[in-house]
Amino acid sequence: SQTIHQWPATLVQPVGSPLSLECTVEGTSNPNLYWYRQAAGRGLQLLFYSVGIGQISSEVPQNLSASRPQDRQFILSSKKLLLSDSGFYLCAWTRGKTNEKLFFGSGTQLSVL
Amino acid sequence: QQQVKQSPQSLIVQKGGISIINCAYENTAFDYFPWYQQFPGKGPALLIAIRPDVSEKKEGRFTISFNKSAKQFSLHIMDSQPGDSATYFCAAYTGGFKTIFGAGTRLFVKA
Repeated sequence: SQTIHQWPATLVQPVGSPLSLECTVEGTSNPNLYWYRQAAGRGLQLLFYSVGIGQISSEVPQNLSASRPQDRQFILSSKKLLLSDSGFYLCAWTRGKTNEKLFFGSGTQLSVL
Repeated sequence: QQQVKQSPQSLIVQKGGISIINCAYENTAFDYFPWYQQFPGKGPALLIAIRPDVSEKKEGRFTISFNKSAKQFSLHIMDSQPGDSATYFCAAYTGGFKTIFGAGTRLFVKA
């Protein structure tokens, strides 16, 4: 069966510090991978998605970037965090041919202070 | 046109009651309407979904009612239980890589 791992679960970072969140998927090959951000009282906002190694599409211009160095690994990064980067970050994957069903990781709660 | 509007923001229901969450959309190209359930500190999980050629779908205590002409759909939770307390998101998908989510409804079922 497929599983998705996301870490860390909680992160407190000072403004201006770098960020690296990692996500890995097991039990499937060539998944489509996603990073979403969830702000309190709001829905899920798609940040990035990737259809393969090195292929990143950005949905929202911002202070964040994403990379996919391996087939089942997806990384969310920032060089300098802003207060507005605080939120709950979710990694997700979908099967290749149909992307209608999202499978989410357990999320990272990021607090930028 | 890409929005999905969800209401209410929060809902308190007595144990055994019916929980109803409503969503509305504008884009008639949406062809898949999932509902996700999220417990505190966890990622959302797909609960139930419907396509626009069906007016109702039932899975256990969870039912989606779909009104294509009104561009509305709703989640009904029958015999609501305290374990159903969670945040529920409606969503809409029209192909590609983007699922549009509603803002979420926090459901609390009182014992």
